[in-house]
Amino acid sequence: DAKTTQPPSMDCAEGRAANLPCNHSTISGNEYVYWYRQIHSQGPQYIIHGLKNNETNEMASLIITEDRKSSTLILPHATLRDTAVYYCIVRVGRGGSNYKLTFGKGTLLTVNP
Amino acid sequence: GAVVSQHPSWVICKSGTSVKIECRSLDFQATTMFWYRQFPKQSLMLMATSNEGSKATYEQGVEKDKFLINHASLTLSTLTVTSAHPEDSSFYICSASPDRDYGYTFGSGTRLTVV
Repeated sequence: DAKTTQPPSMDCAEGRAANLPCNHSTISGNEYVYWYRQIHSQGPQYIIHGLKNNETNEMASLIITEDRKSSTLILPHATLRDTAVYYCIVRVGRGGSNYKLTFGKGTLLTVNP
Repeated sequence: GAVVSQHPSWVICKSGTSVKIECRSLDFQATTMFWYRQFPKQSLMLMATSNEGSKATYEQGVEKDKFLINHASLTLSTLTVTSAHPEDSSFYICSASPDRDYGYTFGSGTRLTVV
């Protein structure tokens, strides 16, 4: 699976949009971009995933560049409860397959009041 | 939907004893489950892939005789830490995915402390 690069930490003001970047310049054509987050001492939580089109759900939006070499996770109105480590993962196959997830170090997002 | 339940949430055991951790998929069947370990301030490290009805696949460096995995049904996988030592103290997390276009779901984790 392709490797990802994320900033180690970011800060965001409560109520503002949080934009978390991820670089995956070696991504292959059949690899999806997944985002998870982990709040302290809990299991990771799935946020969103996409292949090449931008995606939006009730939690966040995922913007993937046209060349697919980078992406941005957007939390439109960050709250204090969004403080967590956010992981960007690229992986072959869609959910439901046996392909494992490999976690990098992620980005610690701190939402400040 | 797609809930994974992990039990216990935390456990303290004496050095040399064995501890079993359960991972259940509550509303879907999972032929494959994954077990991770996480040390403080570090990322999740995949330990093994648990396959229903067959032997688990362990990642390089993970002792299969120490971390016994059993996936006897489509909804239950267990991880047994045998002859636990203080260095096995960690946060253990399982995950699985229903057979549809859905992200992997993780259990809430088990905090193991070996004293």
